[in-house]
Amino acid sequence: NAGVTQTPKFRVLKTGQSMTLLCAQDMNHEYMYWYRQDPGMGLRLIHYSVGEGTTAKGEVPDGYNVSRLKKQNFLLGLESAAPSQTSVYFCASKGERQAGYYEQYFGPGTRLTVT
Amino acid sequence: GNSVTQMEGPVTLSEEAFLTINCTYTATGYPSLFWYVQYPGEGLQLLLKATKADDKGSNKGFEATYRKETTSFHLEKGSVQVSDSAVYFCALSENKAAGNKLTFGGGTRVLVKP
Repeated sequence: NAGVTQTPKFRVLKTGQSMTLLCAQDMNHEYMYWYRQDPGMGLRLIHYSVGEGTTAKGEVPDGYNVSRLKKQNFLLGLESAAPSQTSVYFCASKGERQAGYYEQYFGPGTRLTVT
Repeated sequence: GNSVTQMEGPVTLSEEAFLTINCTYTATGYPSLFWYVQYPGEGLQLLLKATKADDKGSNKGFEATYRKETTSFHLEKGSVQVSDSAVYFCALSENKAAGNKLTFGGGTRVLVKP
């Protein structure tokens, strides 16, 4: 049981390049999330999904696209990278409500630098 | 909208000192409250939670009480260790909101020196 995994762990892009970040979970969770973490700003939600084939915008969706073709995978795409997208990206997943609360499980993160 | 405010760091302490990290929140409904911890180079892990007013969450010697009257969820530990050095995030989730999204505070870096 690997939990939530993310690939790649590190990436450097030039402005204008594109890339896809992959998140995979083996817990059969319905909900999946993409966050970005910037100094002093905590984690901000980019996009999320409440089930296979669904996606929704979060707090900071501009410049990103997502897809959830399979329940276990949630892809985050940058079509034309900008320096403002330099950040650490975290994926999370969440299962069913347990004892009145919902716990999100986080991946180890992807550090992206756009030059 | 929802928001979480927590004290800025870094907080530097000596081993066995008392730790408090303040957290206050604004929410339209009745949220669940969480503390997540991020150790160097890792993702976030749930440290403790509270789902209703006056609940006390506790784990690994850390405690936090859900105070609805002051909209606060302060994190405390009586005697910190070097291994507690990490970034701590306060967060809330409105359980009936679409997607059950988490709203995070800005994080507080804690450094415990031997």
